Amino acid sequence: QKEVEQNSGPLSVPEGAIASLNCTYSDRGSQSFFWYRQYSGKSPELIMFIYSNGDKEDGRFTAQLNKASQYVSLLIRDSQPSDSATYLCAYSGGVSSGSARQLTFGSGTQLTVLP
Amino acid sequence: KAGVTQTPRYLIKTRGQQVTLSCSPISGHRSVSWYQQTPGQGLQFLFEYFSETQRNKGNFPGRFSGRQFSNSRSEMNVSTLELGDSALYLCASSLQGSGTGELFFGEGSRLTVL
Repeated sequence: QKEVEQNSGPLSVPEGAIASLNCTYSDRGSQSFFWYRQYSGKSPELIMFIYSNGDKEDGRFTAQLNKASQYVSLLIRDSQPSDSATYLCAYSGGVSSGSARQLTFGSGTQLTVLP
Repeated sequence: KAGVTQTPRYLIKTRGQQVTLSCSPISGHRSVSWYQQTPGQGLQFLFEYFSETQRNKGNFPGRFSGRQFSNSRSEMNVSTLELGDSALYLCASSLQGSGTGELFFGEGSRLTVL
């Protein structure tokens, strides 16, 4: 079983809709969770992080964390064509990662926002 | 503020050769992490250096090695290249370490092994 599972997609949503990206993880010791966005041919960039159970909002982005269910999600409201990218879920602080200092990534979900 | 710089951006090698990739982190960042990205495996952690010391290593064979210099610049080396080493190698710098999650990635070095 992979440490971080993401639906690879592609996920397509119409412009203006809410895009929902999901991630499950296997390491119960995981402490911190991150969402990175990677445009085609570009390097990943951090867009959100969340440490506590519940929701965290930043502009059009909302991260949701449920540690009991080992589940983290990213909602993108009012999706724009410029949001079309691969979204990578990552975590740190897990036991299996060896130390709190390693960031473990999922394979990513490819999102396409249709104009 | 200059970003993370990786060189070379593209390179082609043949099996059995070795390769050295270079990474210059953001000024003031002491942590440099290396990742291998492939379509099938995604981003795989190679190792992290902090203040010239390797403080974490992923599950890669010993053919993959790295080092960090006193100016925080880092190099990674892959010896005896195999076809499966073809990948995008990404370097990421961080102020306090990769575990904080706030990594700044370079554009990567795309290695093709023939």
